[in-house]
Amino acid sequence: EAGVTQSPTHLIKTRGQQATLRCSPISGHTSVYWYQQALGLGLQFLLWYDEGEERNRGNFPPRFSGRQFPNYSSELNVNALELEDSALYLCASSKIIPGQGRGNEQFFGPGTRLTVL
Amino acid sequence: AQSVTQLGSHVSVSEGALVLLRCNYSSSVPPYLFWYVQYPNQGLQLLLKYTSAATLVKGINGFEAEFKKSETSFHLTKPSAHMSDAAEYFCAVSDRANFGNEKLTFGTGTRLTIIP
Repeated sequence: EAGVTQSPTHLIKTRGQQATLRCSPISGHTSVYWYQQALGLGLQFLLWYDEGEERNRGNFPPRFSGRQFPNYSSELNVNALELEDSALYLCASSKIIPGQGRGNEQFFGPGTRLTVL
Repeated sequence: AQSVTQLGSHVSVSEGALVLLRCNYSSSVPPYLFWYVQYPNQGLQLLLKYTSAATLVKGINGFEAEFKKSETSFHLTKPSAHMSDAAEYFCAVSDRANFGNEKLTFGTGTRLTIIP
């Protein structure tokens, strides 16, 4: 079974530009989560998508946005890049089982390292 | 709001010695708890999880953790450290009481170094 995949592996942008990061979940998983792992700030929850809808959002400005496609893959868009957006962006997926919605394991991809110059 | 605290950002143990990584949680109700491991330049891999079944949870690679409600702790242990255990370890919590809040809240991580 293929794991969560993310592309690109590395992304270098300059301040003010836009970045698009992509994630493909494990087959059969309908939920996709995005996390930011910035140096000194740890792992921070960004966004959660399930069945194409945004279900929850972390404490990030609106220039962080995303979407989930009908095939459950997802994009994370970061507009007006700032230097502090440099981080490893991790995508995770899980399968929400009715009646057992919480506590499901999230499977993580290898991440996209975004560098803003 | 739920949170986790990992005591010790860096832990060093000798090869073959006991590994103990500490995690304490804060939650209004017993949460779901997880331990993940991250090797350099890789994503996170689940070691084990607690979801209110047995309080002693066994995971992969010989790791286990015990949920202690009275101490609000979920410490990770391994009887005998291997060189391959060198990595960063994250404790995480998911709030079962807040329907729809499926996010994981992570601790700040503990970097484990194994001394040959």
